[in-house]
Parts: sequence; structure tokens; C-alpha cells
Amino acid sequence: ELKVEQNPLFLSMQEGKNYTIYCNYSTTSDRLYWYRQDPGKSLESLFVLLSNGAVKQEGRLMASLDTKARLSTLHITAAVHDLSATYFCAVDRTGSARQLTFGSGTQLTVLP
Amino acid sequence: NAGVTQTPKFQVLKTGQSMTLQCAQDMNHEYMSWYRQDPGMGLRLIHYSVGAGITDQGEVPNGYNVSRSTTEDFPLRLLSAAPSQTSVYFCASSPKGLTGNTIYFGEGSWLTVV
Repeated sequence: ELKVEQNPLFLSMQEGKNYTIYCNYSTTSDRLYWYRQDPGKSLESLFVLLSNGAVKQEGRLMASLDTKARLSTLHITAAVHDLSATYFCAVDRTGSARQLTFGSGTQLTVLP
Repeated sequence: NAGVTQTPKFQVLKTGQSMTLQCAQDMNHEYMSWYRQDPGMGLRLIHYSVGAGITDQGEVPNGYNVSRSTTEDFPLRLLSAAPSQTSVYFCASSPKGLTGNTIYFGEGSWLTVV
């Protein structure tokens, strides 16, 4: 059974600071996704990571994937209040039809 | 381009009632899925489909039925609603293929069973 663990579950950080969210998964995967969710809203796709060593960046967010360690990270650089949201990683089992297993989410609050 | 459309957005049911959550996509995607999200948790897969006429169970299928008669539509049926099915339901679709395709999520359907 595929398990996906995120940490931390809750994160409060000051504006301007850097921090990393970690996502560990238990079995081989074809791809890893990062999503953002605002309260009462749907999921917004941030990154899709396909291969070992993949790194993608968008604005203040950078995601990376280490398939050997079964670990993905979402790094936040110089946080701003607008980044406050819940962030989920999700893993697509090898050979599956986009059947995602999600982590529990990291609720990020950026304080002024 | 409407993307993934879910209806209704909000619904209150009484225990034992049945209902259907509708999901439609206009992107000709082969893959479609239903997830539920409970407070403080990530999404969990209920059922999925790899194409018209083909469906299968996900992680939490009990109490739900699906069918896929067309590529566009993937309705989720609650057979006899229970309070434990109070949740937010998301439909998703994606194209078939090996490259990094985005998975598109609907806006969600908020269901309360009393």
C-alpha cells in the first residue's frame, strides 16, 4: 500500500524567511505532484515532477524530487503573505491511471 | 473551455437518501476520478475510470457507485447516504500518456448528510 507522509503539518513563518516542506512516499512512483489549496477552494496545480533529480521553480516556490530516497521537497524562498494556504503532495503509483495518493497537507501561515 | 464541471456545488441530504453528483469534462480526457476530502486530510480516491465503459474501485469505494457511459461524464452515486459521507467531493480528469500531464480538478461539491 502506497503511503505518503508530509511534514510539517502546520507551519507558521515570518515574511521574508525560507522554509522547506517534505514529502516522503513508500513505493515506486511515476510522478509526483504538488498542489495548493485555499480555504473552500479546489486544488491548484503547482508542479509535476517526473524523474529523479527533477527540479522546478515558479516564483518563490521550488520543488525537487529524489526518487531513490522517495522524497520530494517544496522550498519556499522569502515567504510573503499571499503564500498562506495548504500545500499537498500527491504520488501517482507506477503504472496507474493517475490514481493519486495524497499526503495530509501542510497548512502554511505566513505572518507579517 | 469549461474544464471539469461538477454539480451541485452544495447539497444537504437526509440519512438514507440517494443522490448523484455530476462530473463532466470537455477536454476529451480518458482518465477520470472521484476523490473525497475530509477536514484536515488530503484527498482519498473513491473510484476511477480509464475510459468509457471501464471503472474500478479506489481506496474508499464503499457506499458509492460510478458509471462511465461517455468520455465526457463520470457521475458518482450515493446509494443510501450516511453521516460518514459528509465531505467535499472532487472530480478530476487527465489525458492518457506517459509525459507529465496536469490533472485537472473540478471546483468541488460540498455534501452534508444529516
